[in-house]
Amino acid sequence: DAGVIQSPRHEVTEMGQEVTLRCKPISGHNSLFWYRQTMMRGLELLIYFNNNVPIDDSGMPEDRFSAKMPNASFSTLKIQPSEPRDSAVYFCASSPLGLGETQYFGPGTRLLVL
Amino acid sequence: DQQVKQNSPSLSVQEGRISILNCDYTNSMFDYFLWYKKYPAEGPTFLISISSIKDKNEDGRFTVFLNKSAKHLSLHIVPSQPGDSAVYFCAASSTSGTYKYIFGTGTRLKVLA
Repeated sequence: DAGVIQSPRHEVTEMGQEVTLRCKPISGHNSLFWYRQTMMRGLELLIYFNNNVPIDDSGMPEDRFSAKMPNASFSTLKIQPSEPRDSAVYFCASSPLGLGETQYFGPGTRLLVL
Repeated sequence: DQQVKQNSPSLSVQEGRISILNCDYTNSMFDYFLWYKKYPAEGPTFLISISSIKDKNEDGRFTVFLNKSAKHLSLHIVPSQPGDSAVYFCAASSTSGTYKYIFGTGTRLKVLA
């Protein structure tokens, strides 16, 4: 299995621009998670989908962030407009069943907003 | 407020010696704990876990100890190897609650050859 796939691996953009991060979970996994990693706060859960339905988005920092999962094999995290404080590494993870199961992480997208 | 704290941002250990990584938590509802390991430019990978009904779990060179009264857990790596050099994240969840993983900020371990 190819594991969780994320694209792009690196993104540099200017403040105010729209950023879209993409994720393909492991085939057969029912749950998908988006995390953000920063030095100050470590890994923070942004949103969690189960069977393509958003279950908990309480970690999404503000309305500039949105996430979708149109089907079982694809999810996007969008930031519009982006700000310098959004600079971080964004990870997507999937698990076979859901919360409480081992989560398998993708390689991450390193985002830099200038 | 950080519910899971890893107070040592970094740790250096000589090859062959024991590495001890520490983690403290504040929420008494947490009853399932995990350690993830992360190499540069890769995502975190699951290493070992422990349920609150146990106070120790061992997997090869890796042992996790849980002290519920102190709300503290530690990861022991014996013997440490250069390939263990990575960032280690502690995570906690409540199996009677939301099950969400709450991660610490990580500890960077460097094993010196």
